[in-house]
Amino acid sequence: QITLKESGPTLVKPTQTLTLTCTFSGFSLSTSGVGVGWIRQPPGKALEWLALIYWDDDKRYSPSLKSRLTITKDTSKNQVVLTMTNMDPVDTATYYCAHSPCGSCRFFDYWGQGTLVTVSS
Amino acid sequence: SYELTQPPSVSVSPGQTASITCSGDKLGDKYACWYQQKPGQSPVLVIYQDSKRPSGIPERFSGSNSGNTATLTISGTQAMDEADYYCQAWDSSAYVFGTGTKVTVL
Repeated sequence: QITLKESGPTLVKPTQTLTLTCTFSGFSLSTSGVGVGWIRQPPGKALEWLALIYWDDDKRYSPSLKSRLTITKDTSKNQVVLTMTNMDPVDTATYYCAHSPCGSCRFFDYWGQGTLVTVSS
Repeated sequence: SYELTQPPSVSVSPGQTASITCSGDKLGDKYACWYQQKPGQSPVLVIYQDSKRPSGIPERFSGSNSGNTATLTISGTQAMDEADYYCQAWDSSAYVFGTGTKVTVL
């Protein structure tokens, strides 16, 4: 079955760069159409999409955060990495990675458990 | 940027029908999907491509999308359906989530 798990620091300081890793199993990012995305959710607030990478290394970013985000994949390790620069307390949120089953699907059918990242000095 | 608007809250009695709307410009021209999120848990996909149910999602969940509004309908609502619900669509190469609706089963 498909599983995803996020890992990374739980606490970062303002202006630092956040690096999160999504380690997955049950599918391959070399399979045509498959993608892995990142979504975050500040405490008590709505979901916000951040970025997505496809099997062919095509990458999409949230227009409002594009300048701060980089998404990469390591197919051999079954991992996707998200970096976000210049962290601010408003970036405090639970960060999720999720599986997209096909290029035209435009939805996420499996989600990780999420990891809470707090931005504070 | 594209926006999806949902009512903040919907209340429903057990066994009754709950309808949650999601409004966006020409949303009916795009595919909409819906996620259920219970407190402390990750979102779960309950409807995709407007009206399709993933395996394991009860038949009481249904969806529609036309004009500027997508609707998630929960028929015969049960206490276990109490959760936050988010719509989501794709616009201009970006995923967009709705503002979220808290469904309370009274």
